[in-house]
Amino acid sequence: KQEVTQIPAALSVPEGENLVLNCSFTDSAIYNLQWFRQDPGKGLTSLLLIQSSQREQTSGRLNASLDKSSGRSTLYIAASQPGDSATYLCAVNGHSGAGSYQLTFGKGTKLSVIP
Amino acid sequence: KAGVTQTPRYLIKTRGQQVTLSCSPISGHRSVSWYQQTPGQGLQFLFEYFSETQRNKGNFPGRFSGRQFSNSRSEMNVSTLELGDSALYLCASSPRDSIYNEQFFGPGTRLTVL
Repeated sequence: KQEVTQIPAALSVPEGENLVLNCSFTDSAIYNLQWFRQDPGKGLTSLLLIQSSQREQTSGRLNASLDKSSGRSTLYIAASQPGDSATYLCAVNGHSGAGSYQLTFGKGTKLSVIP
Repeated sequence: KAGVTQTPRYLIKTRGQQVTLSCSPISGHRSVSWYQQTPGQGLQFLFEYFSETQRNKGNFPGRFSGRQFSNSRSEMNVSTLELGDSALYLCASSPRDSIYNEQFFGPGTRLTVL
């Protein structure tokens, strides 16, 4: 059974700092990994999708890396801003039988960027 | 292109009642998945539908059921509600022409069971 762990559970940084969020998973047989952002009481916004054959993806100030063999992914946020404050979730997409798949989520990292 | 929509956004029910939640995927998307989010358990997979067929089901009791219509819209039903069913229910859609597709989430339905 796939298990996803995110460390740290919460992080507070001053504005402008670069930061790294970590995600680890137990089963390396994955199709892809997706990073999401969730604002309080809201749905999930997809940030980056990394296919299992890829090493990293970039979008603006965000860079996500994937090391499938070691079961790790990191989300790097450059020059953090107060608007980046949210909970960041890592989700691993893996096979679940009958030709289907499912996302297994970590518990998230709650990020606070202090002005 | 409109995103995933979910209705209603908020619901208050009492124990023992049943509830139906609705999800309209992004136009052209054929796969719909449902997730339950609670503070204690985080996000947990409920089920996935593709072409009106349930292809996968998570570890939830039979009180949780769903269906998908020919236009890909999906409904989720919870019968005999319990206090522990209070949660944010999220729906996600994907084109499903490949398992490598990105999933897009709706805003969720906040269910409170009293």
